[in-house]
Amino acid sequence: AQSVTQLGSHVSVSEGALVLLRCNYSSSVPPYLFWYVQYPNQGLQLLLKYTTGATLVKGINGFEAEFKKSETSFHLTKPSAHMSDAAEYFCAVSRMEYGNKLVFGAGTILRVKS
Amino acid sequence: KAGVTQTPRYLIKTRGQQVTLSCSPISGHRSVSWYQQTPGQGLQFLFEYFSETQRNKGNFPGRFSGRQFSNSRSEMNVSTLELGDSALYLCASSSDEDTEAFFGQGTRLTVV
Repeated sequence: AQSVTQLGSHVSVSEGALVLLRCNYSSSVPPYLFWYVQYPNQGLQLLLKYTTGATLVKGINGFEAEFKKSETSFHLTKPSAHMSDAAEYFCAVSRMEYGNKLVFGAGTILRVKS
Repeated sequence: KAGVTQTPRYLIKTRGQQVTLSCSPISGHRSVSWYQQTPGQGLQFLFEYFSETQRNKGNFPGRFSGRQFSNSRSEMNVSTLELGDSALYLCASSSDEDTEAFFGQGTRLTVV
């Protein structure tokens, strides 16, 4: 069975500081990995995804993530936080044989302080 | 290109009633998935439909059901509503060629 663990339900950073949101997954075969962002009372928006190929993935709004198979991790980073980054972030995993079913982590709420 | 549309956005129902939620996927997308989001359980997969057939199912009781029409629009139904069914219900659509799921804004269901 697949599972996703996001370390830290709340992360607080200062504006301009590095953002690091942690995600570890459990899967018996290499999965597809995703990061989504959710603003209050909104749906989910895809930030980036890893399927195959280059392990460093760049997404929208300056975010990137690196797939590390040996560590079963897919941490999300952004060099410089902006106030508009304050939201909830979800890491998710899927596998081709399960269709488009996504298994989500519990989410991390990012707070950006001015 | 229009995004995923969910209707209604907000709904209040009484315990014991049933409810039907609707989802119109992005044009050309044949896969529609449904998720329940609650503060306690987070985001949980309900089911996925592809070309009018249920392809995957999550661990929810039989009170939760869905269907997909020939135009790929999907509905989910919850019968005999319980207070614990109060949640944000999200629909996502995907194309045949891509792994990306595009989400609608959700339907906020409150059961009183």
